[in-house]
Amino acid sequence: HITLKESGPTLVKPTQTLTLTCTLSGLSVSTSGVGVAWIRQPPGKALEWLALVYWDDDKRYNPSLKTRLTITMDTSKNQVVLIVTNMDPVDTATYYCALRRGSSSDVGTSPFGDWGQGTPVSVSS
Amino acid sequence: DIQLTQSPSSLSASVGDRVTITCRASQYISSYLNWYQQKPGKAPQLLVYTASSLQSGVPSRFSGSGFDTDFTLTINSLQPEDFATYYCQQSYSPPLTFGGGTKVEIQ
Repeated sequence: HITLKESGPTLVKPTQTLTLTCTLSGLSVSTSGVGVAWIRQPPGKALEWLALVYWDDDKRYNPSLKTRLTITMDTSKNQVVLIVTNMDPVDTATYYCALRRGSSSDVGTSPFGDWGQGTPVSVSS
Repeated sequence: DIQLTQSPSSLSASVGDRVTITCRASQYISSYLNWYQQKPGKAPQLLVYTASSLQSGVPSRFSGSGFDTDFTLTINSLQPEDFATYYCQQSYSPPLTFGGGTKVEIQ
């Protein structure tokens, strides 16, 4: 049984840096064909993909936020970390981590089959 | 970026109704279109992937179709637990994008 669990602060101040951690259970982040993504959802709004890291440490970022995002993988802890710099009130959202799985050749077109419960983040002074 | 436009943005329906939600991509995405269901306060759940493949455990009243730029999610005989918001998502090319959502409400 695969689970993902997000953790991090619920409140950050404008201009601060947000660090979120996704802990994967039941599957290793270094398993071939695994990708872990971060996706966010502002209150009452749609989902927005932020970043993705694959088992081989290949990384993808949403160009609209790329300069502010860093995604890393810690295989020893089976975790994926997202860092978002220069937080602003418009970044207030629930942040989800989600899992893509497939073969090494088709994971790039796989859906997000498993999701964490999400972690709410508010940005306010 | 590939834009996904869902319609309608919301709809009211009754238990037992057949509901159709459409998703139009701004460019060719082959069959790399996925559908998710989200209930209030919960994470999205995958319903349909690659346009028409039903995720394991999803009831057969859900079905998907489409190719290229036009896609459809159909719910046959709407059940009380189906009242939720539905999102499409393209996995053809990054940046991965989602549609704006369709809220299915009780009439």
